[in-house]
Amino acid sequence: GAVVSQHPSWVICKSGTSVKIECRSLDFQATTMFWYRQFPKQSLMLMATSNEGSKATYEQGVEKDKFLINHASLTLSTLTVTSAHPEDSSFYICSAAPGARTGELFFGEGSRLTVL
Amino acid sequence: QKEVEQDPGPLSVPEGAIVSLNCTYSNSAFQYFMWYRQYSRKGPELLMYTYSSGNKEDGRFTAQVDKSSKYISLFIRDSQPSDSATYLCAISKTSYDKVIFGPGTSLSVIP
Repeated sequence: GAVVSQHPSWVICKSGTSVKIECRSLDFQATTMFWYRQFPKQSLMLMATSNEGSKATYEQGVEKDKFLINHASLTLSTLTVTSAHPEDSSFYICSAAPGARTGELFFGEGSRLTVL
Repeated sequence: QKEVEQDPGPLSVPEGAIVSLNCTYSNSAFQYFMWYRQYSRKGPELLMYTYSSGNKEDGRFTAQVDKSSKYISLFIRDSQPSDSATYLCAISKTSYDKVIFGPGTSLSVIP
């Protein structure tokens, strides 16, 4: 199946710093990528839809100035958590669909962010 | 009411058992139904992708959709310890619409 790579897999940072997470589609081009947040024993919460060459579409309640998304190429989307605080600690996962069907998603390995 | 609901478990079964995992959804507009498997600290992987009502089989896995009762199921035959994971159901209204995930059911298959 298609491969989506996410980096870093885990990161620890101090409160107030910014953290960038990368999501790459390794063997296909992805005009659209999705970013999720997952709390322990809870489901995936869609944060935003990342569109290549245009602005991301954020879900209701997600601060776009807090979670900056850039989709500069057909194989790379980045999520930057700006001025991170302990409540931003979570598991962040990206996904992409190789074809037109958004239900056929391939996920990255996830990035665990811990803000001290 | 949540758009999709799923019993979080945990569900524990002996090796070789048949496992039944279920979800219900609230809006009849949903037409696409997926099942994902997620191992601990990993991203989910797609197991089954189905459209509308009916059954779909892939190896030991069978997905079943009953749109009349808004109920979707995943059956695992001859369960193995390697099947121990969290299973997420997911739904979408169209093939290009955003996907909504259930909270997941944690499954443990005991050797």
